[in-house]
Amino acid sequence: DIVMTQSPLSLPVTPGEPASISCRSNQSLLYSNGYSYLDWYLQKPGKSPHLLIYLGTNRASRVPDRFSGSGSGTDFTLKISRVEAEDVGVYYCMQASQTPYTFGQGTKLEIK
Amino acid sequence: QVTLRESGPVLVKPTQTLTLTCTFSGFSLSDSGMRVSWIRQPPGKALEWLARIDWDDDKYYSTSLKSRLTISKDTSKNQVVLTMTNMDPVDTATYYCARIIKGATYPFYYYGMDVWGQGTTVTVSS
Repeated sequence: DIVMTQSPLSLPVTPGEPASISCRSNQSLLYSNGYSYLDWYLQKPGKSPHLLIYLGTNRASRVPDRFSGSGSGTDFTLKISRVEAEDVGVYYCMQASQTPYTFGQGTKLEIK
Repeated sequence: QVTLRESGPVLVKPTQTLTLTCTFSGFSLSDSGMRVSWIRQPPGKALEWLARIDWDDDKYYSTSLKSRLTISKDTSKNQVVLTMTNMDPVDTATYYCARIIKGATYPFYYYGMDVWGQGTTVTVSS
């Protein structure tokens, strides 16, 4: 199985400041088609997870443009340009390159 | 509008078999590229992917749980069913289903698990 490792696991951020989460896989998620099958999900407190980013860099529908994804192969980053109070929750990366799909441990973002 | 809703027992006893149903609307699981996954989350812990079933009835399972899981679909009812045998207290979790769209042919475009259900909480206790 592909192992996904996120850092940091806890991320206190002041509103208006940027934030960055790293996700690494122990195998490349890059296909011959040029796509890296890496998603980012946010689970707000008490809610179901929802999709933020797919294929490493594509924002899902209705996701604010302060969220961006970058990376390819084994190293990926989720960036929030200016954190807002509504961004609190746990962020997960997930690889969909091969089954079984696997998630990272999660990164808990909190407001300072 | 695409929706998914999980249903099943709230409480199961150890060694029993759990049966969960994901009832969906707004898409057809007989359409090429459509897929549904199950994911679970023990209290206070991370998400864990369990299984996936595709429009063509291909099935995929978690390595560690493969011997205990069965996923199936009833296209006419717009339902996906997950069974897990030999339940244990460590299986206590919220179980989610989610839709996936991934192209069946090259370049295999993929849109993520774009819609999730609200989850159903299952407690395993005697």
